[in-house]
Amino acid sequence: GAVVSQHPSWVICKSGTSVKIECRSLDFQATTMFWYRQFPKQSLMLMATSNEGSKATYEQGVEKDKFLINHASLTLSTLTVTSAHPEDSSFYICSARVAGALGEQYFGPGTRLTVT
Amino acid sequence: AQKVTQAQTEISVVEKEDVTLDCVYETRDTTYYLFWYKQPPSGELVFLIRRNSFDEQNEISGRYSWNFQKSTSSFNFTITASQVVDSAVYFCALSEDNTDKLIFGTGTRLQVFP
Repeated sequence: GAVVSQHPSWVICKSGTSVKIECRSLDFQATTMFWYRQFPKQSLMLMATSNEGSKATYEQGVEKDKFLINHASLTLSTLTVTSAHPEDSSFYICSARVAGALGEQYFGPGTRLTVT
Repeated sequence: AQKVTQAQTEISVVEKEDVTLDCVYETRDTTYYLFWYKQPPSGELVFLIRRNSFDEQNEISGRYSWNFQKSTSSFNFTITASQVVDSAVYFCALSEDNTDKLIFGTGTRLQVFP
């Protein structure tokens, strides 16, 4: 149980285009999902907290107009990187919290984005 | 402010050696959670353990053991008789009771050589 999927697993796009990454909780409902970014050989940095049916909460320094997050259902959150640039190339990882279970998060397999 | 420090950037051992990964944390909360995750080359984070701040008992799971010491704000992780498959980056993380945000340490890259 508690499986989180991400799609796509990797994507290459041209500079200036937008890319959408999906995060799904497959066998549980997730009222809260989190988006992290990980640069090569670095730690995971929380970008935003996504709550179903409400606006995402972004961490300091993360541009909300560039990284659009939508959490339209209890099993799906999407991250759209708008007008991507090479510096946005990174490993994006989502996690989902089981509804009512504080402290338990399950991570997706990650999406590797390369912007050329 | 919350902070997690993993001072060891990289550790190399030979198979069957024991290895301890250090984790020191900072928090002002009295209720918090500590985690260890493994990130193999594939990139997917593998959950290893969650410990709440009120449970200081050490835990053993197979070759893995964890030593939680509130007095030194440490939550160290020991792998006994290491194996090549243990090669990965290991992250220690902290979350406070009133939030699910995970604050990750910088990770320790463990390489186990045959």
